[in-house]
Amino acid sequence: AQSVTQPDIHITVSEGASLELRCNYSYGATPYLFWYVQSPGQGLQLLLKYFSGDTLVQGIKGFEAEFKRSQSSFNLRKPSVHWSDAAEYFCAVGTGNQFYFGTGTSLTVIP
Amino acid sequence: GAVVSQHPSWVICKSGTSVKIECRSLDFQATTMFWYRQFPKQSLMLMATSNEGSKATYEQGVEKDKFLINHASLTLSTLTVTSAHPEDSSFYICSANPRGRFTEAFFGQGTRLTVV
Repeated sequence: AQSVTQPDIHITVSEGASLELRCNYSYGATPYLFWYVQSPGQGLQLLLKYFSGDTLVQGIKGFEAEFKRSQSSFNLRKPSVHWSDAAEYFCAVGTGNQFYFGTGTSLTVIP
Repeated sequence: GAVVSQHPSWVICKSGTSVKIECRSLDFQATTMFWYRQFPKQSLMLMATSNEGSKATYEQGVEKDKFLINHASLTLSTLTVTSAHPEDSSFYICSANPRGRFTEAFFGQGTRLTVV
């Protein structure tokens, strides 16, 4: 069965510091992988996605993610965090026409 | 492009009444729409898959008579919470896949339902 694990429930970083949010998935084939961001009371905004090809994908707002098949991981990174990045981040696996979401990582940014 | 609009953004209703939530794809046709429920500080849980012109497919544990889904056109799906109770209070989010693009999903802004 498909599953998505985000090991970190909550992360706090200082503004300007680097960020890495972890995501591991379980799926029998090469999945379609996504990272979404959700601000309080809002829907989900797509940050980036991986379908195939280059395993390092660039997204919006300066985010990037690297697909590592050997580790079944798709970690999200940003070299310098801004206070406006504080939000909930969800990793998702797309299979056929369904999405499976991780439990999310809440990011707090301190001045 | 690829905008999904959900309406209303928030609604308060009395116990026992029904509430309808609309999900519209504004600039694309969506043969499939999905309805999710999200509890505070938790992830999105898929409730049902809505297919245009056919019955929705509900996930295990979701009461189909409680959560009525209608996907009457390629741009509109509705979720009706019938005989709402306080435990139905939640954040409901829809998503839509553009026709023929099964791996792309665009999300509405969500609906905060509070049942009092």
